[in-house]
Amino acid sequence: GIQVEQSPPDLILQEGANSTLRCNFSDSVNNLQWFHQNPWGQLINLFYIPSGTKQNGRLSATTVATERYSLLYISSSQTTDSGVYFCAVGSASGNTPLVFGKGTRLSVIA
Amino acid sequence: EAGVVQSPRYKIIEKKQPVAFWCNPISGHNTLYWYLQNLGQGPELLIRYENEEAVDDSQLPKDRFSAERLKGVDSTLKIQPAELGDSAVYLCASSEGGAGHTDTQYFGPGTRLTVL
Repeated sequence: GIQVEQSPPDLILQEGANSTLRCNFSDSVNNLQWFHQNPWGQLINLFYIPSGTKQNGRLSATTVATERYSLLYISSSQTTDSGVYFCAVGSASGNTPLVFGKGTRLSVIA
Repeated sequence: EAGVVQSPRYKIIEKKQPVAFWCNPISGHNTLYWYLQNLGQGPELLIRYENEEAVDDSQLPKDRFSAERLKGVDSTLKIQPAELGDSAVYLCASSEGGAGHTDTQYFGPGTRLTVL
């Protein structure tokens, strides 16, 4: 099945700093979603982005499907951005479930 | 608009006991998913429903796990009997449906199960 690798596994930022999270995948995809899991365990959908670029406030994401990677940018980080960021992909080879990476754990300190 | 609702939020049971989790999806969402999340890992799909039909249950351990979505709205996931290794967070998600697995998914808060 499709493999998903996220980097870095852990990241510590000072409040106000910018960061880039990366998601590499091993096959063509027709589905790619970024999620944020807050410290209380709630998963929030950030972007549905199998290709192209999207922006939502301080967050933006870019997927380069031909090169099999996606990037999540967080600008002017806040303590509320802390948590785990997951990339999840669906292989274009059939109607397959989302496969989640292991996540990037982000800690933003004041 | 209410999000995905799950109950209970926490459950502690002894091994070999049965346990059930309940999920009510976002109103109007035809697709419902049950995921399992182990500590330090991403969620893994157990089963997907399109309305009342289970269309992807290949990852559901059918010897002890069962699920139902009788009227195509809320759903129950059951484990009988529970084993120590079943300790995890059980997540429910829903999506509008009609696009298979490519829909945007919305997750509930999860049920944290501890098996002693």
